[in-house]
Amino acid sequence: AQRVTQPEKLLSVFKGAPVELKCNYSYSGSPELFWYVQYSRQRLQLLLRHISRESIKGFTADLNKGETSFHLKKPFAQEEDSAMYYCALGMKRGGADGLTFGKGTHLIIQP
Amino acid sequence: DAGVTQSPTHLIKTRGQQVTLRCSPKSGHDTVSWYQQALGQGPQFIFQYYEEEERQRGNFPDRFSGHQFPNYSSELNVNALLLGDSALYLCASSAQGPSYNEQFFGPGTRLTVL
Repeated sequence: AQRVTQPEKLLSVFKGAPVELKCNYSYSGSPELFWYVQYSRQRLQLLLRHISRESIKGFTADLNKGETSFHLKKPFAQEEDSAMYYCALGMKRGGADGLTFGKGTHLIIQP
Repeated sequence: DAGVTQSPTHLIKTRGQQVTLRCSPKSGHDTVSWYQQALGQGPQFIFQYYEEEERQRGNFPDRFSGHQFPNYSSELNVNALLLGDSALYLCASSAQGPSYNEQFFGPGTRLTVL
């Protein structure tokens, strides 16, 4: 069965410091990996997906199939990055199937 | 476009009762997925509806059922409520097609079972 693990429940860093939110997955097929973000009092929204290889709001994530990881990184944290971050796995090409989410990491950026 | 909408916002029920939650997808979307998010957890996939049929289901008991209407809106029904069913229920909509289809989430319905 597929599984997504986010080992850090809470991550606190200072503004301007680098950020790395860890995500490991377990799936025997070819996964589609996503990062979703939920800002305070807002709905869950897509931040980025591995297949697009984009940088969104300064965040990047590289799929490492050898280590089964999809860590989210940003070189210089900003206060507006404070939010809940969820890593998610889709089993179907295009990501339109039911997603498997991790438990989330609460990122706090201190001034 | 208001995006994905859900009703009601909050709901309080007692054990053993039945509940119906509603979701209207984003304009242009034809697929609706439902997720349960318990406190401190990530969303957990319940099932997905497309063309008025359940096409995929997560690891949830038969007490959880759904329906999709011709206008693509959807309902989630939960029978014989348990205390453990207390959670935020999220609806997500997407469009089927050969290319990537992002899931857009609604604000959720907070269900409390007493």
